[in-house]
Amino acid sequence: EAQVTQNPRYLITVTGKKLTVTCSQNMNHEYMSWYRQDPGLGLRQIYYSMNVEVTDKGDVPEGYKVSRKEKRNFPLILESPSPNQTSLYFCASSKNDGPKNIQYFGAGTRLSVL
Amino acid sequence: LAKTTQPISMDSYEGQEVNITCSHNNIATNDYITWYQQFPSQGPRFIIQGYKTKVTNEVASLFIPADRKSSTLSLPRVSLSDTAVYYCLVGDGGYSTLTFGKGTMLLVSP
Repeated sequence: EAQVTQNPRYLITVTGKKLTVTCSQNMNHEYMSWYRQDPGLGLRQIYYSMNVEVTDKGDVPEGYKVSRKEKRNFPLILESPSPNQTSLYFCASSKNDGPKNIQYFGAGTRLSVL
Repeated sequence: LAKTTQPISMDSYEGQEVNITCSHNNIATNDYITWYQQFPSQGPRFIIQGYKTKVTNEVASLFIPADRKSSTLSLPRVSLSDTAVYYCLVGDGGYSTLTFGKGTMLLVSP
């Protein structure tokens, strides 16, 4: 089954404790992206990657890191999490299909930073 | 990336047709219009995409006038399960940040 898999689905951590949220897709998609969703603010893009070893900042990259060493994986790293990073996170992937780019989303990771 | 404007919320009743309009005055020649649906605590899901005139699939229809400065998502005979947030995106596909905005919260009542 074609899917985008995020882990963990739920995570509670404390300020300053490094964490990684993994994202994997099995559709051989070139494009991957991370979003955060907060009440009243909609979905905001954190980072995106157009292909292996190519990453770029989205609208809200501060406090996050990403890497794209393999096509299928795009982990989101919080080196020193803070309470303002408490949010619902989504990973997405798509083919680089020109103007018809359609994104497929994971089920989400709900993160609480205490 | 073209900026979009949608109503914040809409209300409807089961069995009615719902039309959600999105304004995108500065749409570019290469831009496509894509709509996503999101249920609470789930990732957005692709509904429909179009470039001009009308597109229809098993879920919805998308109407795009000739000037392409707006588009209308039409959901026929909505049910309670259509209660969700609907996002309109306009862009040339992936080579820049994608802004979902706040979407339109559709509430369908019995």
